[in-house]
Amino acid sequence: GNSVTQMEGPVTLSEEAFLTINCTYTATGYPSLFWYVQYPGEGLQLLLKATKADDKGSNKGFEATYRKETTSFHLEKGSVQVSDSAVYFCALRTDSSYKLIFGSGTRLLVRP
Amino acid sequence: NAGVTQTPKFQVLKTGQSMTLQCAQDMNHEYMSWYRQDPGMGLRLIHYSVGAGITDQGEVPNGYNVSRSTTEDFPLRLLSAAPSQTSVYFCASSYRTGNTEAFFGQGTRLTVV
Repeated sequence: GNSVTQMEGPVTLSEEAFLTINCTYTATGYPSLFWYVQYPGEGLQLLLKATKADDKGSNKGFEATYRKETTSFHLEKGSVQVSDSAVYFCALRTDSSYKLIFGSGTRLLVRP
Repeated sequence: NAGVTQTPKFQVLKTGQSMTLQCAQDMNHEYMSWYRQDPGMGLRLIHYSVGAGITDQGEVPNGYNVSRSTTEDFPLRLLSAAPSQTSVYFCASSYRTGNTEAFFGQGTRLTVV
C-alpha cells in the first residue's frame, strides 16, 4: 500500500542554519506530494506541494523537489528562524484513493 | 471564510460515555475525513467520506461512527469512550482529486478518564 517515511526527530538547529528533513514514499501510480506544518496548539496547514515529477514546491523560504527516481520529497530551507519551530509532516495523495497518507512527523526546534 | 470548523476544542469524558465531535466546512468540498494524532504516531485516518451519504473506514475505525447527511457536516461519534481514545482529533476537507490539498480544523483535544 501507499506509505510515507520521514526522518525521526527532533531536529535541533541554531538560527540561520540550513535545514533538511528527509521524506521518501511508496505509492502505486503517480501521487501528489505535500508538506504540512503544525505550530504548537494548532491544526495542520499546507506548506508546499508538488503534483508531478521534477516539480519544485516552495513557500516561505522552504523548498522541496519531487524526485520520482529516488521516490523522495525532501524539505529544505537555507536559513531557519526561531519562528520555524514546529512539527513538519510529509504526505501523499493519489487520484485512485483520495486519502491523504502522512509520515510520522518531524519536530524542528530552532534555538536563538 | 470560516474553512473547517471543529467543536469542541477540549473535552473530558468518563470511560463509557458517548459524545459527538462536530466538523463543518463551507468550501463545498466533496471529501472529508477524520484523523487522530498521537505522540510519535503521526496522523492516522479514522473514517472518511467522498460525498453526502457515502462513508468508509480508515486504518483505525474501531470505536467510532460517522455519517454524512450533508456536504458541509461530518460528525464523529464515540460510542463508548475508552482511555485508549485519548488523543487529538482533526477533521479535514478537500476536493475529490488527488492533486489538491486538504484543509484542517484546529483540532479537538479529548481526554478519557
